[in-house]
Amino acid sequence: QVQLVESGGGVVQPGRSLRLSCAASRLTFSSYGMHWVRQGPGKGLEWVTFISYDGFYKYYGNSVKGRFTISRDNSKNTLHLEMNNLTAEDTAVYYCAKDVGSYVPYGMDVWGQGTTVTVSS
Amino acid sequence: SYVLTQPPSVSVAPGQTATITCEGNNIGIKSVYWCQQKPGQAPVVVAYDDSDRPSGIPERVSGSNSGNTATLAISRVEAGDEADYYCQVWDTSSDHVVFGGGTKLTVL
Repeated sequence: QVQLVESGGGVVQPGRSLRLSCAASRLTFSSYGMHWVRQGPGKGLEWVTFISYDGFYKYYGNSVKGRFTISRDNSKNTLHLEMNNLTAEDTAVYYCAKDVGSYVPYGMDVWGQGTTVTVSS
Repeated sequence: SYVLTQPPSVSVAPGQTATITCEGNNIGIKSVYWCQQKPGQAPVVVAYDDSDRPSGIPERVSGSNSGNTATLAISRVEAGDEADYYCQVWDTSSDHVVFGGGTKLTVL
């Protein structure tokens, strides 16, 4: 069974930075594109960002473009999300998710359990 | 930007068929994914590429997509089907993944 485990969440002050990680197991991580998706309290799912299997292509949602950076380390089967200049609107559960494809996004077929980020002074 | 519209809520009696729609401009030419999310849990994919089912998803769950509407149908609804359901597509015009607003399925 493919497993995705997020880590790095916590409470952070507005304007500060945080780095999330997602460890993948039981899959050929380097073959698939990966996403970050978030869900604010009581809200729906919001796509954050996608990275292609080789890290060449990256796409970002409008609300995070210029502040968040997605990256991956295929040698360690790990996905990262660097989040800068955080605001209260970034408070959410952050999920990593595997895409069915490699180079461009199609859709997510496996999701992690999520890590909670709270931006508060 | 591309918009997907879902009804906020759908209610159905046990044993009946629940139909959840996802409307978008020419969505029929896109590949639609559906996920189910129960309270306090992570989403789980229940349909992909419009109508395919992942392993472990029962045959009573089916998807279709044509014109401006994609549909997720759940027949012989059970109490365990109660959850939020989201549709999702990749919009090539904006290079964005788009989610619908979600539909809360209530089993009466």
